[in-house]
Amino acid sequence: SQQGEEDPQALSIQEGENATMNCSYKTSINNLQWYRQNSGRGLVHLILIRSNEREKHSGRLRVTLDTSKKSSSLLITASRAADTASYFCALSSGGSNYKLTFGKGTLLTVNP
Amino acid sequence: EPEVTQTPSHQVTQMGQEVILRCVPISNHLYFYWYRQILGQKVEFLVSFYNNEISEKSEIFDDQFSVERPDGSNFTLKIRSTKLEDSAMYFCASSEGLRTGLFFGPGTRLTVL
Repeated sequence: SQQGEEDPQALSIQEGENATMNCSYKTSINNLQWYRQNSGRGLVHLILIRSNEREKHSGRLRVTLDTSKKSSSLLITASRAADTASYFCALSSGGSNYKLTFGKGTLLTVNP
Repeated sequence: EPEVTQTPSHQVTQMGQEVILRCVPISNHLYFYWYRQILGQKVEFLVSFYNNEISEKSEIFDDQFSVERPDGSNFTLKIRSTKLEDSAMYFCASSEGLRTGLFFGPGTRLTVL
């Protein structure tokens, strides 16, 4: 089964800067979701983007989806130290309506 | 804000013992899931549950695993005879619909000795 591959594996920025994380995948998807995980904690759903959508916004988050390139990006604008976490893309794909396949994540560190 | 809760937060057990991990999903959600994350590895799907039956399960979810919704609020994962490799963080999740985001609980860290 396919999974998303996040890039970069780790990203370190200063507070106030923007952070961009990418996710690439191999086959067609139903939707793609982004989650955040603080160290040792549960996952928090950020945004879901459907295969027929190209861009979605939520507060300081912007997600794009390019199905022709099979890639998605998550942009966090004006980052804060509290944004420090791992970010995962998760794919709903193929004939499965129930299962999400997670990537290995991008570890974002926002330095104050 | 409603949230998914899980108990216990940490469970230590001996190899071969049975464990039951408990979850209370968000009350108006219809779909329930278990995922696990072995330390340092990616989050893996175990099973989904809808309308009082398993809707999908992964290769990991073998005969040692079972799920149950014993009443209107709890959702449990049972591992009948734990192995060392079952040591992981187990996350329960729920969702309103099929193609909506999942709400995850804080996890139960299972340590098998």
